[in-house]
Amino acid sequence: QQQVKQSPQSLIVQKGGISIINCAYENTAFDYFPWYQQFPGKGPALLIAIRPDVSEKKEGRFTISFNKSAKQFSLHIMDSQPGDSATYFCAASKNSGNTPLVFGKGTRLSVIA
Amino acid sequence: EPEVTQTPSHQVTQMGQEVILRCVPISNHLYFYWYRQILGQKVEFLVSFYNNEISEKSEIFDDQFSVERPDGSNFTLKIRSTKLEDSAMYFCASRQNGGHLFGSGTQLSVL
Repeated sequence: QQQVKQSPQSLIVQKGGISIINCAYENTAFDYFPWYQQFPGKGPALLIAIRPDVSEKKEGRFTISFNKSAKQFSLHIMDSQPGDSATYFCAASKNSGNTPLVFGKGTRLSVIA
Repeated sequence: EPEVTQTPSHQVTQMGQEVILRCVPISNHLYFYWYRQILGQKVEFLVSFYNNEISEKSEIFDDQFSVERPDGSNFTLKIRSTKLEDSAMYFCASRQNGGHLFGSGTQLSVL
């Protein structure tokens, strides 16, 4: 029940295209859903996050869509650029206090020109 | 912009040796964490620390591991007797009210 399932494992997108990464969770106590971007040799960097009281959040080219009833959330990267090539992790936690993040297995995104 | 600082960036050690990984979290953050990432795999939670004590730990965080915040700024992870399977990237993170902010990690290689 603590798992967060992420797909696909890898994704190749043309420059200018839309990258879509999906995650599903089981624990209904989760109420905080961040996405992290990780470049090789670096730590995960917080990209965007959503709480279950909204169904969508947009920041620049990055959008999270959240479906509470299906217990799914997804990251959309519009107008994907080669600089977006990285590994993306979804995560979930109970946002009270110091509860840890549960991460998905990651999606390696390659944006090709 | 404030950042979480980790040292060293790389640590090579022999099996059975003790290692200490160091972190300087963001100064006004209250919650501190250690995570690890085995090459090519997902980030896994090890331990969380609040109010100068461990608040939660995973099954990975066995008796070989310990954490300390010795001087109010540094936050350390000690592995008492390293095993080959401890080879991983270790990330420190801290948070206040928002999301976790991660350091750049320490790559630990146990030979």
